[in-house]
Amino acid sequence: GQNIDQPTEMTATEGAIVQINCTYQTSGFNGLFWYQQHAGEAPTFLSYNVLDGLEEKGRFSSFLSRSKGYSYLLLKELQMKDSASYLCAVRDSGYSTLTFGKGTMLLVSP
Amino acid sequence: DSGVTQTPKHLITATGQRVTLRCSPRSGDLSVYWYQQSLDQGLQFLIQYYNGEERAKGNILERFSAQQFPDLHSELNLSSLELGDSALYFCASSVEADNEQFFGPGTRLTVL
Repeated sequence: GQNIDQPTEMTATEGAIVQINCTYQTSGFNGLFWYQQHAGEAPTFLSYNVLDGLEEKGRFSSFLSRSKGYSYLLLKELQMKDSASYLCAVRDSGYSTLTFGKGTMLLVSP
Repeated sequence: DSGVTQTPKHLITATGQRVTLRCSPRSGDLSVYWYQQSLDQGLQFLIQYYNGEERAKGNILERFSAQQFPDLHSELNLSSLELGDSALYFCASSVEADNEQFFGPGTRLTVL
């Protein structure tokens, strides 16, 4: 099975940088995903890591360390619209299904 | 817009009833996933279909069932509904079973 842990809430200021951490314990691993979800809306894909290291995509970057069972999502130049829940999800190596953490609610203030 | 459609958008029903949620995947996607999202449990994987066949099962109750039809749309059937079944139900699709999943807008189910 999978156990995924991420902070419940974080706050940050517009224009700043924020790092959202995710730790996981898995019986199998085939990649880690980050999704953004605004309240009442569908999750939208942000990033994917399967190898160790940093993946950069515009203002968003994601890092993975498989040996430590650790990932983070880095958001730069924060905007008000970045206020949302950020979901960390681990893909199982057997069936390619995703197990989601409970999400980190990020509030960006002016 | 992810290209995944779900109907209905909202559904209000009573305990003990049965409902059917419908999902149409993105054009060309063979894999469909169903998730339940409640405030206290987060996003929970229920079941996956690939090209018409069940591929994986998660925390799906026996009162719930699903199928994927030849045209690749999928239906999730929820029966003997309980208050605790009130949640957002999302469908997602992907090209292959191990690709990025695209989520539909969800169906909000309220059981009174």
